[in-house]
Amino acid sequence: EAGVVQSPRYKIIEKKQPVAFWCNPISGHNTLYWYRQNLGQGPELLIRYENEEAVDDSQLPKDRFSAERLKGVDSTLKIQPAELGDSAVYLCASSLEGQGKNSPLHFGNGTRLTVT
Amino acid sequence: AQSVTQPDIHITVSEGASLELRCNYSYGATPYLFWYVQSPGQGLQLLLKYFSGDTLVQGIKGFEAEFKRSQSSFNLRKPSVHWSDAAEYFCAVAPPYNTDKLIFGTGTRLQVFP
Repeated sequence: EAGVVQSPRYKIIEKKQPVAFWCNPISGHNTLYWYRQNLGQGPELLIRYENEEAVDDSQLPKDRFSAERLKGVDSTLKIQPAELGDSAVYLCASSLEGQGKNSPLHFGNGTRLTVT
Repeated sequence: AQSVTQPDIHITVSEGASLELRCNYSYGATPYLFWYVQSPGQGLQLLLKYFSGDTLVQGIKGFEAEFKRSQSSFNLRKPSVHWSDAAEYFCAVAPPYNTDKLIFGTGTRLQVFP
């Protein structure tokens, strides 16, 4: 099966500019996650979708971050405006039914964002 | 607050040597426990997980981990390391009431010498 696809792989922008990341999960996977991984750290959950519904966005900085998952398939994560501290790798993951139902997460290769 | 500690930031072993990566968690109840591996420029891959039952868990690529409740630990082991095992290893926990909310440790970077 094709894995989780993310684009772009790299993005360099100036602070205060907007940026968007795209994720295509594994076909049939209902649950989609966005994580942020700062340098030298483990990933931190930003938002989780069950189909098209955001069921956990408690860690998403809502003043500048937004996300959507139209039709419960692809998802985009947007930052506007970007700040220097947003430099990180943004990882997308998907699972068939969510981890609690013994359905493992499959991660994409991530988008490395550099804000200058 | 729940947390995961990986005390070793960087470990170096010779190819063929045994390996143990440490993981300790702080949590009120027994959480779900995971080990992931991340190769450079790649996403994370699940090595193994523990939900309940047998405390010795077998995973992919010859890895195993043992859950020790008394020590709040979930250490990862491999009897003989291969050069291709060089990567970053992350321990993670998920609370039983919110199993999709993974909390990752800071990772251990494994370097393998020939």
